[in-house]
Amino acid sequence: DAGVIQSPRHEVTEMGQEVTLRCKPISGHDYLFWYRQTMMRGLELLIYFNNNVPIDDSGMPEDRFSAKMPNASFSTLKIQPSEPRDSAVYFCASSRVIKRGGYNEQFFGPGTRLTVL
Amino acid sequence: EDKVVQSPLSLVVHEGDTVTLNCSYEVTNFRSLLWYKQEKKAPTFLFMLTSSGIEKKSGRLSSILDKKELFSILNITATQTGDSAIYLCAWIQGAQKLVFGQGTRLTINP
Repeated sequence: DAGVIQSPRHEVTEMGQEVTLRCKPISGHDYLFWYRQTMMRGLELLIYFNNNVPIDDSGMPEDRFSAKMPNASFSTLKIQPSEPRDSAVYFCASSRVIKRGGYNEQFFGPGTRLTVL
Repeated sequence: EDKVVQSPLSLVVHEGDTVTLNCSYEVTNFRSLLWYKQEKKAPTFLFMLTSSGIEKKSGRLSSILDKKELFSILNITATQTGDSAIYLCAWIQGAQKLVFGQGTRLTINP
C-alpha cells in the first residue's frame, strides 16, 4: 500500500493567492482528517470526514478555509485568500473502522509545507 | 477547557541515557491516550493507553497511564540517535478526534 499521499509537498505562495492542498487516503479507509502543525499551536485537527461527509469542522480557523471530499479517494483543503499566518505544515490522515465505537489508528501522510509570503 | 500538556518541551541527552517524557491532561469524558513519534515527516503511532496502571511496552519504549493523577509517561531506555524526534501525546475526543499536546522535542547526541 502506498500510504496516504499528499501533494504538493512544498508550496510557496504570496499573500492573497488561493492555495489548494490535495490528499489521497489509503484505499479502503473511510475516515479522512486534515491537520495543521505550527510551532506555536502544535498539531491541531481542522476537519474530518466519514464516508466523504464532513463530521466535525470546528477546527477550521475561518471562512478562508474550506475542505471537500468529492469521493472516497480524494480530498482537498483550500485557503482563499491565503495569509502569512497560514504558513504551516498541513497533514492529511486516514483510518479504517475496525472496531465500531472505538478508536481506529490514523495513518498520516508526509504533509505539505506551506509558506505564504 | 480541555487540554493536554507535555513536558519538557525540549530535551537533550547523550546516547545510552534513559529519558522520561510526561503528558498530563485535563479533559472531559476521557477514554484513551495515545503516543506518537514524529521524525522528519508524519507522526507514527506508538501506543494507546486506556487502562490505568497497565504498562505498554515495545522494545526500549514503554508507557503507562495514571487515570487518578491524570498523566502518562513515556520511557525510553538505552537511547539511540534514532530516537531523536518529537514525541506527541493525544487524547481521543469522541470516537475519532485527536487532541494533541505541544510535543516534546527529544535530541539524542552521540
